[in-house]
Amino acid sequence: GQQVMQIPQYQHVQEGEDFTTYCNSSTTLSNIQWYKQRPGGHPVFLIQLVKSGEVKKQKRLTFQFGEAKKNSSLHITATQTTDVGTYFCAGKSGYSTLTFGKGTMLLVSP
Amino acid sequence: DGGITQSPKYLFRKEGQNVTLSCEQNLNHDAMYWYRQDPGQGLRLIYYSHIVNDFQKGDIAEGYSVSREKKESFPLTVTSAQKNPTAFYLCASSIEGRDGETQYFGPGTRLLVL
Repeated sequence: GQQVMQIPQYQHVQEGEDFTTYCNSSTTLSNIQWYKQRPGGHPVFLIQLVKSGEVKKQKRLTFQFGEAKKNSSLHITATQTTDVGTYFCAGKSGYSTLTFGKGTMLLVSP
Repeated sequence: DGGITQSPKYLFRKEGQNVTLSCEQNLNHDAMYWYRQDPGQGLRLIYYSHIVNDFQKGDIAEGYSVSREKKESFPLTVTSAQKNPTAFYLCASSIEGRDGETQYFGPGTRLLVL
C-alpha cells in the first residue's frame, strides 16, 4: 500500500534558526497536505499542494511539491516559539484515503 | 477543528469493557474518519465513512466497530478485543473541494485502560 515517509522525526532549533521537514511517498500523489499539531492539541490543516513543482507561502512557511509529485517539503524561516509542534504531511493517490506521515516534532528554544 | 466535537475528552476503561467514543459534526460533511495516534506513530486510520449507512475498515480496524446512522454522527466503539486500546483517538470529517479533500479534526479523546 501507499507509504508516506517523513524526516526528520524530531528537530530542536534555537529561535531564529530555519527548519525544514521532508516528506516522501512510495507512489505518485494527486495532492499533498500539511497539518500542524500543537502539544496536547489536534492536527490543524495548513495547506494543500496539487500541481507538480508547486510552491506556496504562508508568511514564514514555504511549502513545495516535487516535480514528480512524490515528495514535498515544509520550510520555516526564522523560527519562533509559536512554531513548536508536530508537522504532518499527508498524501493521497487516486481514490485512496489520505495517508499521513509520522510527523516531525519541532522544538524551538528561546 | 470548528464544528467537530468529541466526547469525552478523557476516558478511563477497565480491561474487558467496551467503550464508545462520540464524534459529532455540524459542517454538513459527507465523509468522516477515525484515527488512532500513539507517540511516534503518527495517525493511523481505523475506520472511515463516505456516506450514511456505509463505512469501510482502515489500516487498524481490528478490535473496533463503528456506525453511521446519521450524517452528523460517527461513534467509535473500542471493544474488549482491542489488546492495546490506550491511545489518543481523533475524529475527522472532510469535504471534497475543487483540488481535493481537506480534513478537519475534532479535539480528540484520550483513552486510558486501567
